Amino acid sequence: EDKVVQSPLSLVVHEGDTVTLNCSYEVTNFRSLLWYKQEKKAPTFLFMLTSSGIEKKSGRLSSILDKKELFSILNITATQTGDSAVYLCAVVAKTSGSRLTFGEGTQLTVNP
Amino acid sequence: DTEVTQTPKHLVMGMTNKKSLKCEQHMGHRAMYWYKQKAKKPPELMFVYSYEKLSINESVPSRFSPECPNSSLLNLHLHALQPEDSALYLCASSQDLYREDNGYTFGSGTRLTVV
Repeated sequence: EDKVVQSPLSLVVHEGDTVTLNCSYEVTNFRSLLWYKQEKKAPTFLFMLTSSGIEKKSGRLSSILDKKELFSILNITATQTGDSAVYLCAVVAKTSGSRLTFGEGTQLTVNP
Repeated sequence: DTEVTQTPKHLVMGMTNKKSLKCEQHMGHRAMYWYKQKAKKPPELMFVYSYEKLSINESVPSRFSPECPNSSLLNLHLHALQPEDSALYLCASSQDLYREDNGYTFGSGTRLTVV
């Protein structure tokens, strides 16, 4: 059974801090790993990673995948209160169609 | 149009009621999904449709009945639900079953309460 473990489960920081969120996975026939940000309702797509060592970047957010060690990290620099959300990591296996297997998420709270 | 639209946003129903959730997308995506999300938990897959055909049913109880009338619409028919079925129901779409290049696009969900 595919498994995704995120850490920490909860994180409280001050504005301007840099945070690193972790996602480790066990999946048969890995195809891709996706990061989402979820505030009140719909998860919002952040990144999709398929290859090791290639950093994806969008503004203050960046992410990288290590397929040998089976983990990914999501970095957020110069955090803002608007970054407060649950960050979800999900994996897709080649044989699962497009089934997303999610981790439990990291609840990030950024205080002013 | 880069959105997945879900209606209604909120729904309260009794255990003997029949109701339907609706989901619509106009991005030309050929795969559509229903996920269920309980409070403080990640989304869990319920159903997958590919080219309007049911592709995956994650052993969901028959009181949930999906329907895909056309490539843009996905419905979830609800009947005789239990209070433990109260959750956020998320619809999502992707280009097709084996392509998620721009991620999956999720709708804002329907917050369902069963009383």
